[in-house]
Amino acid sequence: KNEVEQSPQNLTAQEGEFITINCSYSVGISALHWLQQHPGGGIVSLFMLSSGKKKHGRLIATINIQEKHSSLHITASHPRDSAVYICAVRVRSGGGADGLTFGKGTHLIIQP
Amino acid sequence: DSGVTQTPKHLITATGQRVTLRCSPRSGDLSVYWYQQSLDQGLQFLIQYYNGEERAKGNILERFSAQQFPDLHSELNLSSLELGDSALYFCASSTGQGIYEQYFGPGTRLTVT
Repeated sequence: KNEVEQSPQNLTAQEGEFITINCSYSVGISALHWLQQHPGGGIVSLFMLSSGKKKHGRLIATINIQEKHSSLHITASHPRDSAVYICAVRVRSGGGADGLTFGKGTHLIIQP
Repeated sequence: DSGVTQTPKHLITATGQRVTLRCSPRSGDLSVYWYQQSLDQGLQFLIQYYNGEERAKGNILERFSAQQFPDLHSELNLSSLELGDSALYFCASSTGQGIYEQYFGPGTRLTVT
């Protein structure tokens, strides 16, 4: 079983819909990242969370540390939001190791 | 633009060869991370350096090695290349150790033929 599980794997929606992508993890973490990867391949960091909720524009990310679960929401979705969204965790460890462990990603397509 | 640069963008080479990928972190960032993204394995952490010293190893093969130089740029060396090493290799940087944002470079696409 992967340490980081995302759902759904694929999601197709109509422009304007509210989108939710879920991430569950099975290890103790010190932070969780949501990343966006467009077809060209570049990776952009959207959020880094260690508790609570963050909002940036139409994107909202929440995390529940007790339940080991995070969600990424997109409000008023737009075709330009089409991308792969990746959940990644920084596993809690001593010694300052910060390498991320990744989910397999959610491939989102927003149709006009 | 994240401020992290990687060269080259694309690299095509033959099995058994050796290549070097280069990464320059954002100005002032002390930590550098290398990640591999392949179709079958997804994104995997390879290795982390902090201020010139190796900090953590992930799923890095023995045929691969890395270093971080005094000017903080880093190089990832891949040797005895196999077809399965074909992947996107990303470098990321962060300010320091701990809970810091990681900024990803544009990646180097390696094709082994």
